[in-house]
Amino acid sequence: GENVEQHPSTLSVQEGDSAVIKCTYSDSASNYFPWYKQELGKRPQLIIDIRSNVGEKKDQRIAVTLNKTAKHFSLHITETQPEDSAVYFCAARSDDYKLSFGAGTTVTVRA
Amino acid sequence: DVKVTQSSRYLVKRTGEKVFLECVQDMDHENMFWYRQDPGLGLRLIYFSYDVKMKEKGDIPEGYSVSREKKERFSLILESASTNQTSMYLCAIRTGDNYGYTFGSGTRLTVV
Repeated sequence: GENVEQHPSTLSVQEGDSAVIKCTYSDSASNYFPWYKQELGKRPQLIIDIRSNVGEKKDQRIAVTLNKTAKHFSLHITETQPEDSAVYFCAARSDDYKLSFGAGTTVTVRA
Repeated sequence: DVKVTQSSRYLVKRTGEKVFLECVQDMDHENMFWYRQDPGLGLRLIYFSYDVKMKEKGDIPEGYSVSREKKERFSLILESASTNQTSMYLCAIRTGDNYGYTFGSGTRLTVV
């Protein structure tokens, strides 16, 4: 099955700086890569996703890039704000129904 | 928007008890999933169902079973709870063609 690795496990950034989270996947057939944000005590929520026929996607301060050849994808958050503090999960679609998740990155934005 | 409801936010059960975790959706989505979330391990798939009475094992099915008698309800069953099943359990449904998931609010289970 699909194996997704995520780095770093924790990330502390100064407010206003950028944050980057990287993930790699193992199954070259995977073609859908969502990112989820989980605030403390809340459920994971989809924040952005990308399909394998697209190299980059942006939504305001967040962007995702995909390198199919290297089998890695990254989340970029610019101009970080305190409300960006959360656990972020990357995922890859391993077959028609299942998503395989990374272990998560705890992002802390320092004021 | 679809609503995914997990019946309990917190549960405390004793070792050896049979435990039922319920997940209900208010729409007609076929694919439903049970994950457990543990620090440093992310979300790991226990079981999933792609239709009524259909089920498939995920990555960590040992010690669990599931039931889907009606399309809107997907139940996770711990036949004999053990302390290593203490965890956060998240139900999810697949919504739409983009294969994105909507999660329930989770059940934090403690087995003592």
